Amino acid sequence: GNSVTQMEGPVTLSEEAFLTINCTYTATGYPSLFWYVQYPGEGLQLLLKATKADDKGSNKGFEATYRKETTSFHLEKGSVQVSDSAVYFCALGASKIIFGSGTRLSIRP
Amino acid sequence: DVKVTQSSRYLVKRTGEKVFLECVQDMDHENMFWYRQDPGLGLRLIYFSYDVKMKEKGDIPEGYSVSREKKERFSLILESASTNQTSMYLCASSPSGNLNQPQHFGDGTRLSIL
Repeated sequence: GNSVTQMEGPVTLSEEAFLTINCTYTATGYPSLFWYVQYPGEGLQLLLKATKADDKGSNKGFEATYRKETTSFHLEKGSVQVSDSAVYFCALGASKIIFGSGTRLSIRP
Repeated sequence: DVKVTQSSRYLVKRTGEKVFLECVQDMDHENMFWYRQDPGLGLRLIYFSYDVKMKEKGDIPEGYSVSREKKERFSLILESASTNQTSMYLCASSPSGNLNQPQHFGDGTRLSIL
C-alpha cells in the first residue's frame, strides 16, 4: 500500500544553517506530494506541494522536488531562521492523504 | 482564507463520559476529516465525510463516531471515553472532488481523559 517515511527528529540547527528533511514514499500510480508545517499551538498548514514528477514546490524559502526515480520529496531551505522552528510533515495524496510521522525542527539563535 | 474552527483548545474529561468535539468550516467545503495526532505516530485518520449525513471510517474508527447534520459542521463523538483516547484531535476540510487535495486544518483540541 501507499506510505510515507520521513527522517526522525528532533533536528536542531543554528540560525542561517542549511536544512534538509528527507522524505521518501511508496505508491502506485502518480500521487501528489505535500509538505505541511505545524507551528507550536497551531494546526497544520500547507507549506508547498508538487503534483507530478520533476515539479518543484516552493514557499517561504523552502523547496522540494518531486523525484520519481528515487521516490523522494526532500524539503530544503538555504538559511533557516528561528521562526522556522516547527514540526514538518511530508504527505502523499492518492486515494486519500497519508501523512508521515513528522520531524520536529528547532533553530538556535 | 479558509477558516476551520474547533470549539475547544483544551478539554479534560473523565473515563466513561460521552465527549463531543465540534468543528466548523466557513468555506463551503464538501469534505471534512477528523484526525488524532500522537508523538511518533503522525496523523491518523479517524473518520471523514464527503457530504451532509455521509461518513466513512478512517484508519482508527474504533471507539469513535461522527455526525454531519450541516455542511459546515462535523462533530466527533467519543461514546465512552477511555484514557487511551487522550490525544490531540485535529479537524480538517477540503473542497469537493478527490480526497487527495490539500486540506485546511483547525488549531486542534488537546483532550485529556482522566
